[in-house]
Amino acid sequence: GDSVTQMEGPVTLSEEAFLTINCTYTATGYPSLFWYVQYPGEGLQLLLKATKADDKGSNKGFEATYRKETTSFHLEKGSVQVSDSAVYFCALSAPKGDYKLSFGAGTTVTVRA
Amino acid sequence: EAGVAQSPRYKIIEKRQSVAFWCNPISGHATLYWYQQILGQGPKLLIQFQNNGVVDDSQLPKDRFSAERLKGVDSTLKIQPAKLEDSAVYLCASSLRGNYNSPLHFGNGTRLTVT
Repeated sequence: GDSVTQMEGPVTLSEEAFLTINCTYTATGYPSLFWYVQYPGEGLQLLLKATKADDKGSNKGFEATYRKETTSFHLEKGSVQVSDSAVYFCALSAPKGDYKLSFGAGTTVTVRA
Repeated sequence: EAGVAQSPRYKIIEKRQSVAFWCNPISGHATLYWYQQILGQGPKLLIQFQNNGVVDDSQLPKDRFSAERLKGVDSTLKIQPAKLEDSAVYLCASSLRGNYNSPLHFGNGTRLTVT
């Protein structure tokens, strides 16, 4: 079935460091791809999305590009802040049928001042 | 706009007891989802409603879990009887139309501990 595999954490960085979280997917056809973020004590919220190959999603300085050839959707940010400390989830939705998300296991990111 | 409301925030029960969780989605959102998030794992879909009808409940352990969405608004998820492995955070989410252009909005979840 459809699934995502994301980089295991936890990841600890210093402020202004470069962040990459790897995500690869397995799906029939061309799914839509998402990154969700969960800040401490809060619910999951959509960070960015891409619905077709070569699309780039971006938000709050984060970017991810839908790469069909490598079935990947890696999340990147050039200069992290302490406020970026959170759990990040990669997710996909199958291209047909009902819209429902399959999530990866999540990557915990801690940014130190 | 008000977000997705869930209650209670925390619940501790003993195994074999029953428990119920409540969710009030964002007003006007037709699609409602219940997810189970076990510690260290990503959320797993339990059930999806479109208005008051069930769209997908293939991952719902129907021998002990049940859910309803009367009148197509708020929803209740019940577990009876609970097992130790049901300890998790139960997340409710809603979506305006349930398609790719309608992002999911999640509540803060109910953390269930079964002892």
